[in-house]
Amino acid sequence: DVKVTQSSRYLVKRTGEKVFLECVQDMDHENMFWYRQDPGLGLRLIYFSYDVKMKEKGDIPEGYSVSREKKERFSLILESASTNQTSMYLCASSPGRRGRNQPQHFGDGTRLSIL
Amino acid sequence: QKEVEQDPGPLSVPEGAIVSLNCTYSNSAFQYFMWYRQYSRKGPELLMYTYSSGNKEDGRFTAQVDKSSKYISLFIRDSQPSDSATYLCAMIPLNTGNQFYFGTGTSLTVIP
Repeated sequence: DVKVTQSSRYLVKRTGEKVFLECVQDMDHENMFWYRQDPGLGLRLIYFSYDVKMKEKGDIPEGYSVSREKKERFSLILESASTNQTSMYLCASSPGRRGRNQPQHFGDGTRLSIL
Repeated sequence: QKEVEQDPGPLSVPEGAIVSLNCTYSNSAFQYFMWYRQYSRKGPELLMYTYSSGNKEDGRFTAQVDKSSKYISLFIRDSQPSDSATYLCAMIPLNTGNQFYFGTGTSLTVIP
């Protein structure tokens, strides 16, 4: 079974803090993704990566950055947290090279609250 | 208009009922179709993955794709309280780099 592990289930931070969300997958997948999920808005793609040290912007990258130094690990960084970044953050991974159309496998999410 | 439309519900059915969940889409380039189940406070879990029109069955679950109508369905037979969750449809266009398009999810409750 594919295992995508997010380091924290719940996180509370203060406005202006730099926040790191970590994600690790154990299936040697090339592709990794970060989403946020909000009621009524569904899943929105923040950033994704097809390979180590590669990253591409998704639909809502503003206020976020990412890091992929190793194939199995993909980090999401909130440079200066704001209250509108309170959300459920989901990490996902999928196999195959770019364009191979394989299903994504998700972690259990990090519920982040910014006070 | 969103590329993928999904009725958010909520949908409430008695145990044992047949459940029909649906998504419509506007982009004829979508070629791969998925259904995910998401329990409260958990991540989405892949249920079904299909390519092309037709039916695919897995136990009590049947995924149906009608490309001519741009319509996909998930049927759950003999529904159980453990099926209570949010169901998300997802689609991928052909050869565009694995970027997914998700529905917003339908909340289902199966009442014992």
